Amino acid sequence: LAKTTQPISMDSYEGQEVNITCSHNNIATNDYITWYQQFPSQGPRFIIQGYKTKVTNEVASLFIPADRKSSTLSLPRVSLSDTAVYYCLVGALSGGYNKLIFGAGTRLAVHP
Amino acid sequence: DGGITQSPKYLFRKEGQNVTLSCEQNLNHDAMYWYRQDPGQGLRLIYYSQIVNDFQKGDIAEGYSVSREKKESFPLTVTSAQKNPTAFYLCASSSSAGRAGTDTQYFGPGTRLTVL
Repeated sequence: LAKTTQPISMDSYEGQEVNITCSHNNIATNDYITWYQQFPSQGPRFIIQGYKTKVTNEVASLFIPADRKSSTLSLPRVSLSDTAVYYCLVGALSGGYNKLIFGAGTRLAVHP
Repeated sequence: DGGITQSPKYLFRKEGQNVTLSCEQNLNHDAMYWYRQDPGQGLRLIYYSQIVNDFQKGDIAEGYSVSREKKESFPLTVTSAQKNPTAFYLCASSSSAGRAGTDTQYFGPGTRLTVL
């Protein structure tokens, strides 16, 4: 299963765009890239998922280059409430189920 | 109001006691999962179940047990054999248990277990 590497922490200010990059050099052909957000003492919440190129939804964009060895989560105009841990996961069926490996994530702090 | 519920939110246990954490979902999902999270760490998979009456060990199953008698329920028992059970426990579910690609896992609010 492909491992992911992402920065341990990032700081930003309200209103700025935040880009969190995740590397996954050993991504397999049938692997998808998924990002989750987690607030303290809560369960992770799905943000966005993609396979290649660009995916956009109401909260974020996900950019995936052609080689798929990395991906970038883009959060437009962050607010204080975006302070959370963001997890990049790469996974597909393994032994018949969705095996997701959560690393330590990126701790994003948004400042006023 | 659909979703995943976990109870209790906080649980205290004396050493040597077994304790069961509840997880219920009304999303009609086939697959359910249990994760453990320690402070500042990511999630680690304890057990998962793809279908009723079937479950598999995850990466850290020792000292834990589960059952899946109903589609909507996947209780986790933390036994006295678990040497360091104090942690945040998260239950999740997903809709597919056999299709290609990844399906979104939906997480419950978690149970914080503390061993006294």
